Amino acid sequence: GQQLNQSPQSMFIQEGEDVSMNCTSSSIFNTWLWYKQDPGEGPVLLIALYKAGELTSNGRLTAQFGITRKDSFLNISASIPSDVGIYFCAGQLGVQGAQKLVFGQGTRLTINP
Amino acid sequence: SAVISQKPSRDICQRGTSLTIQCQVDSQVTMMFWYRQQPGQSLTLIATANQGSEATYESGFVIDKFPISRPNLTFSTLTVSNMSPEDSSIYLCSAADRRADIYNEQFFGPGTRLTVL
Repeated sequence: GQQLNQSPQSMFIQEGEDVSMNCTSSSIFNTWLWYKQDPGEGPVLLIALYKAGELTSNGRLTAQFGITRKDSFLNISASIPSDVGIYFCAGQLGVQGAQKLVFGQGTRLTINP
Repeated sequence: SAVISQKPSRDICQRGTSLTIQCQVDSQVTMMFWYRQQPGQSLTLIATANQGSEATYESGFVIDKFPISRPNLTFSTLTVSNMSPEDSSIYLCSAADRRADIYNEQFFGPGTRLTVL
C-alpha cells in the first residue's frame, strides 16, 4: 500500500526560528494535506494543496505540492510557543468524492524558551 | 468546516467487553471515516462509514471486530468488540466536507481515548 515518509521525526528549536518539514511518497497523490495535533485533541487541518506545484500560505505557514505529485513540504516562519505539537502530512488519492487519507509518521515540534 | 463531536471522550474498559463510540457532525457530510491512533503513532484508517450501506474496511480490520453504523448524513458509530489490551488507542472520527465538485477536505473529531485493562 501507499506509504508516506515524513521527516524529520522530531525537531527541537528556539522560539523565533523557522521550521521546515517534508513528506515523500513512492506513489502519486492528487491532494496533500497538512494537519497539526495537540495533546488530547484530534488533528486540525492547516493547509490543503490540490495542484502540482501549488504554493499556499496560511499566516506563518507555507506549504507546497511537489511538481512530481510525490512530495510536499511545510514551512513555519518565526515559530512561537503555540506551534508546539505534532504535524502530520496526509496524501489523498481520490479525485471525485471523498477518499481515504494516508498519513505520514508525524513530526514532533518542541520549542525551547 | 464541519464541527465534529465524539462520545465518550475517554473510557477504561475490561477485556472481553465492547464499547460503542458515537460521532456527530454539525452538518450533512458526504462521507465519514474512522481512524485508530496507537500511542505515539500516526493515524491508520479503519473503515469508511457509508450511509445506507455496509462500511468499507481496510486491510487488517474486520466488521466482526469493528462494526460501524451510519444511519444518516450526520452521525456514525464505531463499536470495538471483545476488547483486549491491544485495542487501547485513540479512535478518531473524520468527515469530508465537500467544497467543490472534486475537492474534499477531511476534518477530525477530538478522539476517544480507550484503555483496556
